[in-house]
This record gives sequence, structure tokens and C-alpha cells, in this order.
Amino acid sequence: GDSVTQTEGLVTVTEGLPVMLNCTYQTAYSDVAFFWYVQYLNEAPKLLLRSSTDNKRTEHQGFHATLHKSSSSFHLQKSSVQLSDSALYYCALSGTGGYKVVFGSGTRLLVSP
Amino acid sequence: EAAVTQSPRNKVAVTGGKVTLSCNQTNNHNNMYWYRQDTGHGLRLIHYSYGAGSTEKGDIPDGYKASRPSQENFSLILELATPSQTSVYFCASGPRGSSAETLYFGSGTRLTVL
Repeated sequence: GDSVTQTEGLVTVTEGLPVMLNCTYQTAYSDVAFFWYVQYLNEAPKLLLRSSTDNKRTEHQGFHATLHKSSSSFHLQKSSVQLSDSALYYCALSGTGGYKVVFGSGTRLLVSP
Repeated sequence: EAAVTQSPRNKVAVTGGKVTLSCNQTNNHNNMYWYRQDTGHGLRLIHYSYGAGSTEKGDIPDGYKASRPSQENFSLILELATPSQTSVYFCASGPRGSSAETLYFGSGTRLTVL
């Protein structure tokens, strides 16, 4: 079946430095969309960005991600993190028909002063 | 902005008791989902629905039932609650159609089973 792997449970970064959160996947679908959701403390997850186009950079709120089907990856990056970026980040995919969204285990980003 | 409302926000239940978690969405989305969130496991799909009258098993359906009596409402039912079902439960809705489906989540229900 489909799966999403986020290898880091916790990433700690100093404010102002860059960060990359890893996301790799396995899927049998050819028509697939990929997502990053963000969940702030005591809030619901919400969409950060999404993509279904190979090798196209997608940006939102200073974060960016590029889908690379050749390496089955959709890593999330930011060039300069802020304290307010501290949150739980989920990578996810949705196959044909969009009936089922598969989430990774999540990566908690902690930004320190 | 899509609106998904869950109730209750917090629930304490006893082992063996029946628990019903409710979810309402006002966006006319066809698809609705129930996830549970546990540290180290992320969001795991319990049940989902394509529309009124339909329910489908997700990845971890054991011990849970679901009901979709209308387009707007989707309930998660624990007939015999167990301590292992202590978790945070999220309901979500999304439009059917393309694979680029964005999910809209409710605020979650924190369930504690004693």
C-alpha cells in the first residue's frame, strides 16, 4: 500500500537558520498529489502547501517544497526559520480519486532563540 | 474557509462504556474522515465516507464504528471503549474529485478512557 516516511521525529533549529524536513513516499498510483500540513500547538492541522507536478517548486508562507518523483521525495525547506514556525509538520499523499489521504508520522520543528 | 465542528472537545469515559464523537461540516463536502493522533504514529485513518449513507474502513477500524446519516454529519462510535483508545480524534472533510484534495480539519476531541 501507499506510505509516507518522515524520518525525523524532532528537528531543533536556531532562529534565522535554514531547515529541511524530510519526506519520502511509496505509492502505486500514477496520479498523486502531495501535501505538507502544519499543526500549531492545540490547533487543528491545516494545509501548508501541495503539489502534483514533478520538479516544480511550490511555495507558501516562506516554505517551499519540490516534488521529485525520481527520488520519491517531497522535502520541506525554509531558508530562515522564525520562532513562530515551531509546530508539528505532516507530509501526506493522496492518490487517484482523493478518497484516502495517507499521512507520515510527523516531524516536530522546534525553533530556538 | 471550510468549517468543521467537533463535539465534545474533551471526553472522559469508563472502560466498557459507549462513546460517540460527533462531527459537522457546513461546506457541502462529499468526503469525511476520522483520524486519531498519537505521538510517534501521526494521523491514522479510522473510517471515512463518500457521502450520506456510506462508510468505509480506514487503516485502523477495529473497535470503531462510523455513521454518516447526512451530508453534514459524521459520527465515530466506540461501542466498548478501552484505555488503548485514549487519544486525540480529528474529523476532516474534503471535496471529492481530483487527487489534489485538501482536507479541512476540526479542532479535535481529546478522549480519555479510564
